[in-house]
Amino acid sequence: SAVISQKPSRDICQRGTSLTIQCQVDSQVTMMFWYRQQPGQSLTLIATANQGSEATYESGFVIDKFPISRPNLTFSTLTVSNMSPEDSSIYLCSVVGERYGYTFGSGTRLTVV
Amino acid sequence: QKEVEQDPGPLSVPEGAIVSLNCTYSNSAFQYFMWYRQYSRKGPELLMYTYSSGNKEDGRFTAQVDKSSKYISLFIRDSQPSDSATYLCAIPGSSNTGKLIFGQGTTLQVKP
Repeated sequence: SAVISQKPSRDICQRGTSLTIQCQVDSQVTMMFWYRQQPGQSLTLIATANQGSEATYESGFVIDKFPISRPNLTFSTLTVSNMSPEDSSIYLCSVVGERYGYTFGSGTRLTVV
Repeated sequence: QKEVEQDPGPLSVPEGAIVSLNCTYSNSAFQYFMWYRQYSRKGPELLMYTYSSGNKEDGRFTAQVDKSSKYISLFIRDSQPSDSATYLCAIPGSSNTGKLIFGQGTTLQVKP
């Protein structure tokens, strides 16, 4: 499977601040996604990170709150902006490809205080 | 109605027990079905996937799909304490988008 490196692995942030999460893949991938996993909940897709164009957001998620960059086929960032305690979650990067199916990073555990 | 529903548990069994984990789904067009395992503080890892109806076996794990009932199951034989994790069923959404729709996840504890 593809190897995904996600940084930071965890962080504690003050409300009103922003955090940028990085996702680096060891090979070029076409499809890259960002998911959120709230405490005790399942995974919910935030957006599809598109290389060279704006991300495609799911219902309930907006670019101003979760800006995403995808400058090339191996790297993406997700920013959680103007954070509130409700943003405390695990944020996961995921990629999909024919050779390795659906693979997830280890996640970023965010706590907003 | 959620597209994929899963009993969140938690489920606690003794070592050696047979475990049955289940999900239901609403869209009869779904073709691929996956099971992920997620250990605490880790990302989900793909455990098994199946296509269409029938059974698929991999060691102590068996994935079963009943498309007529829109019901998928994961069976774990001879469960071990190392199987203690959260198990999530997942189904690819619209074709060619790469998006996964997840069940809520069932937390399993296997006691020695």
